[in-house]
Amino acid sequence: DAGVIQSPRHEVTEMGQEVTLRCKPISGHDYLFWYRQTMMRGLELLIYFNNNVPIDDSGMPEDRFSAKMPNASFSTLKIQPSEPRDSAVYFCASSPTPGQGEGYTFGSGTRLTVV
Amino acid sequence: SQKIEQNSEALNIQEGKTATLTCNYTNYSPAYLQWYRQDPGRGPVFLLLIRENEKEKRKERLKVTFDTTLKQSLFHITASQPADSATYLCAHPGTGGSYIPTFGRGTSLIVHP
Repeated sequence: DAGVIQSPRHEVTEMGQEVTLRCKPISGHDYLFWYRQTMMRGLELLIYFNNNVPIDDSGMPEDRFSAKMPNASFSTLKIQPSEPRDSAVYFCASSPTPGQGEGYTFGSGTRLTVV
Repeated sequence: SQKIEQNSEALNIQEGKTATLTCNYTNYSPAYLQWYRQDPGRGPVFLLLIRENEKEKRKERLKVTFDTTLKQSLFHITASQPADSATYLCAHPGTGGSYIPTFGRGTSLIVHP
């Protein structure tokens, strides 16, 4: 397996534009997580899915953020409209049922810069 | 809510020495803790999981301990090498079926040749 695949690796956009981040989890992993990492706040959980169903989105900053998982092999995180404070590295991670001895497998992240 | 605390100051050590990193947590003891390594520009990579009934776990040059009395986990790298230089994160993956993982801010380790 190629691991968790995220695209794009880098995204520079202007304030007010829509941004869509994409993630392909590892096949067979039932859980998918979206994180945001900044120097100030560290790694923050935004939302997670179990079997394609959103379970907890309490970490989503506000209504400008939305996430979907239409099938087991694809998820998106959308920001509309984007703001400079959204600039961060966004990670997608997947795992089998947690606690079974395996940790989360992270993608390489998308570095988002909103100017 | 559960908090994970790691030393924010970088740890500088000489090659060959043992590096020891600390992870403290508040509130309830988790069923297990995880340790990850993160290199610049990359996502965290899972290293080890230790359960609350395991006092110690080893993997090659890595050793993790879990003390529920102190609410602390220690992460050791023996015979450290410059290639071990990275940020190490501690994570509590949530309990009671609500898998809401909480990560510490991580501790940067710098191993000098």
